[in-house]
Amino acid sequence: AQSVTQLGSHVSVSEGALVLLRCNYSSSVPPYLFWYVQYPNQGLQLLLKYTTGATLVKGINGFEAEFKKSETSFHLTKPSAHMSDAAEYFCAVSGAGSARQLTFGSGTQLTVLP
Amino acid sequence: NAGVTQTPKFQVLKTGQSMTLQCAQDMNHEYMSWYRQDPGMGLRLIHYSVGAGITDQGEVPNGYNVSRSTTEDFPLRLLSAAPSQTSVYFCASSRDRQRETQYFGPGTRLLVL
Repeated sequence: AQSVTQLGSHVSVSEGALVLLRCNYSSSVPPYLFWYVQYPNQGLQLLLKYTTGATLVKGINGFEAEFKKSETSFHLTKPSAHMSDAAEYFCAVSGAGSARQLTFGSGTQLTVLP
Repeated sequence: NAGVTQTPKFQVLKTGQSMTLQCAQDMNHEYMSWYRQDPGMGLRLIHYSVGAGITDQGEVPNGYNVSRSTTEDFPLRLLSAAPSQTSVYFCASSRDRQRETQYFGPGTRLLVL
């Protein structure tokens, strides 16, 4: 079975500071990896995804993530936090070449302090 | 394009009542799914469909039914509502189930008393 672990259900950073949201996954097949963001009272929207190719993936709003197979990680980073980044972030994994569905982590609530 | 639409936005039910949550998409996506979101548990898959006439169970299907008579619509039925079904429900669609971006609706907040 595949699974996703997001370390830290709540993360606080100061405006302008580095954002680092951690995601580790387990999958017995090559994974597809996603980060979604949810703003208050809205549905989820895709930030970025890794399917194949370059392991450093750039997404919207200045976010990026690096697929590290040896560490089974897909951490999300942004060099400088903005107040508008305050939201809940979900890491998700699905399995290439199999019938596995998309599996979500439990989410990390990001607070940006002025 | 409207994307993925869901109705209603909010609903209060009494235990034992039934209702249908509506979901529609106008992107001609084959794959549609229903999730429930509960605090600290992320999103859990209830049911999904890979095309009209084809549905299957997800992680937490008990108490819910679905059907897919057209590509556009994927309603979720609660047969006999229970307080444990109090949650926020999201419908999503994508071109396939694994590697393509899922597009989410705005959600339906359900309270079962």
